[in-house]
Amino acid sequence: SYVLTQPPSVSVAPGQTARIACGGNNIGSKSVHWYQQKPGQAPVLVVYDDGDRPSGIPERFSGSNSGNTATLAISRVEAGDEADYYCQVWDSTRDQHWVFGGGTKLTVL
Amino acid sequence: QVQLVESGGGVVQPGRSVRVSCAASGFNFSDYAIHWVRQAPGKGLEWVAVITYDGSNKYYADSVKGRFTISRDNSKNTLYLQMNSLRAEDTAFYYCARGGQDCSGATCSDYWGQGTLVTVSS
Repeated sequence: SYVLTQPPSVSVAPGQTARIACGGNNIGSKSVHWYQQKPGQAPVLVVYDDGDRPSGIPERFSGSNSGNTATLAISRVEAGDEADYYCQVWDSTRDQHWVFGGGTKLTVL
Repeated sequence: QVQLVESGGGVVQPGRSVRVSCAASGFNFSDYAIHWVRQAPGKGLEWVAVITYDGSNKYYADSVKGRFTISRDNSKNTLYLQMNSLRAEDTAFYYCARGGQDCSGATCSDYWGQGTLVTVSS
């Protein structure tokens, strides 16, 4: 089955840019989606189809996807961005199966 | 506004069964595929199952295939997950999640419920 690999943690100072990687075999050929989850809350979609943002998500959130790595970038990081972030794809080799990365804890220093 | 509200969680003994529900409002429920995603306490997200908009097709993760059944009642705007032969490793928050309106092929979720906790323990 398809595997997505994320670093367990990323730390960044306020105002800087955080980059969270999501690795997978030829992930550049897939549409990658990103979710933010704060403690005690449900996940929230922050980027879909590699780099599009749902309405209400700040422009500070962006995404890219090429080769074997997709990346979520959060510019001008704020304390409120501290959360777990998950990448997700649809595994086209398995009918309708979704695959999630293991998640990355973003810490704002 | 779109709302998904799960219910039915609780403490269940290993080997027993439980059914959790997801009540939808604020959108045309019968137009959307709906997924179940679970999260063990302190762990990551795991996709469980999906049902197409009309209930005609259902797909399951290998970890639950043969034990869990997803279903829906479009007349009641409600999604269900019947969980049988429960194991300790099924302990998790169970979220229902709507197939995304804007993402390609509805391969993401744009709305999630708040989850219901199922604890499998003797």
